[in-house]
Amino acid sequence: DVKVTQSSRYLVKRTGEKVFLECVQDMDHENMFWYRQDPGLGLRLIYFSYDVKMKEKGDIPEGYSVSREKKERFSLILESASTNQTSMYLCASRKTGDTEAFFGQGTRLTVV
Amino acid sequence: AQTVTQSQPEMSVQEAETVTLSCTYDTSESNYYLFWYKQPPSRQMILVIRQEAYKQQNATENRFSVNFQKAAKSFSLKISDSQLGDTAMYFCAFIESGSGTYKYIFGTGTRLKVLA
Repeated sequence: DVKVTQSSRYLVKRTGEKVFLECVQDMDHENMFWYRQDPGLGLRLIYFSYDVKMKEKGDIPEGYSVSREKKERFSLILESASTNQTSMYLCASRKTGDTEAFFGQGTRLTVV
Repeated sequence: AQTVTQSQPEMSVQEAETVTLSCTYDTSESNYYLFWYKQPPSRQMILVIRQEAYKQQNATENRFSVNFQKAAKSFSLKISDSQLGDTAMYFCAFIESGSGTYKYIFGTGTRLKVLA
């Protein structure tokens, strides 16, 4: 079974901190995604990566950056956390040529 | 721009009964995929069912089936013999098959509660 693992289920950070959310997948998938999930807004794409060191902006990239140094790991970085970034963050991966995405268990981030 | 609309924020159904979740979408493409994903309280999203737009036959996975109306751009999910474990948030999603990056577009979700 494909496994997508996010490093934390719950995280509390202070305004202005630099925050790293880590995601690791174990099935050699080329494509990895970071989504933000908010009530009433569904899932919105922040960034995605289709290969090592490659990245593309999604629909809401402002305030975020990403890093993909290794195929299995995709990191989401909040350069200076703000309270409006309090949300659920979901990582997903997908093999090129397939349509199914596999998701991690989510990280609920609270910025105080 | 492609959009996915789920007009039912919350629904409930009695155990063993049937429930239908609605989804409409908008695209100018002719070839695409539609999905229903389930997010239980444990939070891990899992694929429930998938439909390819060029296939006229409605997809079925055990108790889950879809009613795909391409002309109407409608993609509803029917859950038969509802079970307590079906309690979850359900997301309708869409991707274009011609897009190399296969970006998903998700609806806002329907929270389904199955009552004992």
